[in-house]
Amino acid sequence: GAVVSQHPSRVICKSGTSVKIECRSLDFQATTMFWYRQFPKQSLMLMATSNEGSKATYEQGVEKDKFLINHASLTLSTLTVTSAHPEDSSFYICSASPVLETQYFGPGTRLLVL
Amino acid sequence: AQSVTQPDIHITVSEGASLELRCNYSYGATPYLFWYVQSPGQGLQLLLKYFSGDTLVQGIKGFEAEFKRSQSSFNLRKPSVHWSDAAEYFCAVGSNAGGTSYGKLTFGQGTILTVHP
Repeated sequence: GAVVSQHPSRVICKSGTSVKIECRSLDFQATTMFWYRQFPKQSLMLMATSNEGSKATYEQGVEKDKFLINHASLTLSTLTVTSAHPEDSSFYICSASPVLETQYFGPGTRLLVL
Repeated sequence: AQSVTQPDIHITVSEGASLELRCNYSYGATPYLFWYVQSPGQGLQLLLKYFSGDTLVQGIKGFEAEFKRSQSSFNLRKPSVHWSDAAEYFCAVGSNAGGTSYGKLTFGQGTILTVHP
C-alpha cells in the first residue's frame, strides 16, 4: 500500500513551452501534497505545500507564477512548469501525506529543457 | 531556520561490515527526525522516524537510529550491511510550524553508500 505515482517519469521539452507533471496517490487519500526539486548530487528542496481545494503555499524564492500547482482532488496534484527554460531542468519529486506525520514519495520526474 | 548536515558525502563499506551514517541537525524546538533511502528509479522510502519517547528507534531493513539531543545528532546504524543496502540515504528534520504539518521537511545533502562484496 501507500503508493505514489508520478507522470511522466521523464520529459524533454523546448524552451518556452509548458510542462505538466502529475502526482497521484494510488491507494490512499492525501489531504496534503508536497513538491520538491532535486538538483544533481544535491538534496531535495521543498518548493511548495499543496492542500486539497486551496491555494498552494510556496517556499521563499519559488516563483508561484512559474510553478503552478493544482490540488484538485484528494488523490491528484499537478505541477505545471510554465515557459520552461534550461535552468528549470531538474528532478521534481512529489510526496503525499495522508496524515500529518507521514508522507510517501513518488519516484520523481526528470525534466530536461532544451 | 532548521538545517540538516550529513558530513559524509560518500561511504564505502564491505558487505557484512557495520555501518553508521552521521546526521546533525539544527532546530529550535523538539525535532521530528527522519531517515529516508533513495534508490535509482524509486521514490524515497522511509526507514525510520523519531517524534518522541525512546531515543533509540528501530526501523525497517534492520536499521536503527539514536537521537542524541546533547549532540544534535540522529545517526543511522546497521550492524551488518547487505549489498542491497547500496543507495543514497537522506536525513531530514520536519517542522510543524503553526501546526500546519510535519511534512515541511528539510533534507540533508545525502550520503551515498557503496557496498563492496
